[in-house]
Amino acid sequence: DTVLTQSPALAVSLGQRVTISCRASKSVSTYMHWYQQKSGQQPKLLIYSASNLESGVPSRFSGSGSGTDFTLTIDPVEADDIANYYCQQSNELPYTFGAGTKLELK
Amino acid sequence: EVQLVESGGGLVKPGSSLKLSCVASGFTFSSYGMHWIRQAPKKGLEWIALIYYDSSNKYYADSVKGRFTISRDNSKNTLYLEMNSLRSEDTAMYYCAKGGRWGQGTLVTVSS
Repeated sequence: DTVLTQSPALAVSLGQRVTISCRASKSVSTYMHWYQQKSGQQPKLLIYSASNLESGVPSRFSGSGSGTDFTLTIDPVEADDIANYYCQQSNELPYTFGAGTKLELK
Repeated sequence: EVQLVESGGGLVKPGSSLKLSCVASGFTFSSYGMHWIRQAPKKGLEWIALIYYDSSNKYYADSVKGRFTISRDNSKNTLYLEMNSLRSEDTAMYYCAKGGRWGQGTLVTVSS
């Protein structure tokens, strides 16, 4: 299985730029997607295929990467962005998720 | 607008069975593969099953293989997950998903 590794938590200040990383144990090409999950809600797709912004998602979110290293960038961070963020690969079955990065306020 | 509404969750005892449903609307259900994904309380996300648009192929996570069955009824725009031999570790919120769009989930609790 493809293991995805994310940092458990990041502390940020409002208005700053933040980068959340996801490293895959093997190449997933650009079949990497990013989700945001707020407490009590289902995950919401932000970025698909590494760098494509999902419709309706604010342009302060962006994604990059290919192969094994990927990043989700939020610039600037707003209060509404405080949530958990998950990467997911769909390059091969089973489709795996990272353990999530909790974005917290400093 | 894509809408996915899960139902069928509840409190069950270990070893028992449960069947979840997901009613889809807002898109041509019969044209898309569908997934079940679960999230244990305070834990991360786990993909558990995929069914092709025409039910020709089905795939499962090792953790549920042989116990869970994914199916669909395209005439009813409905996705199913039949869960047998339930264990405490199956306790989770269960989501159905079409690509990046997920339902609100249905909670399954397995406890004696």
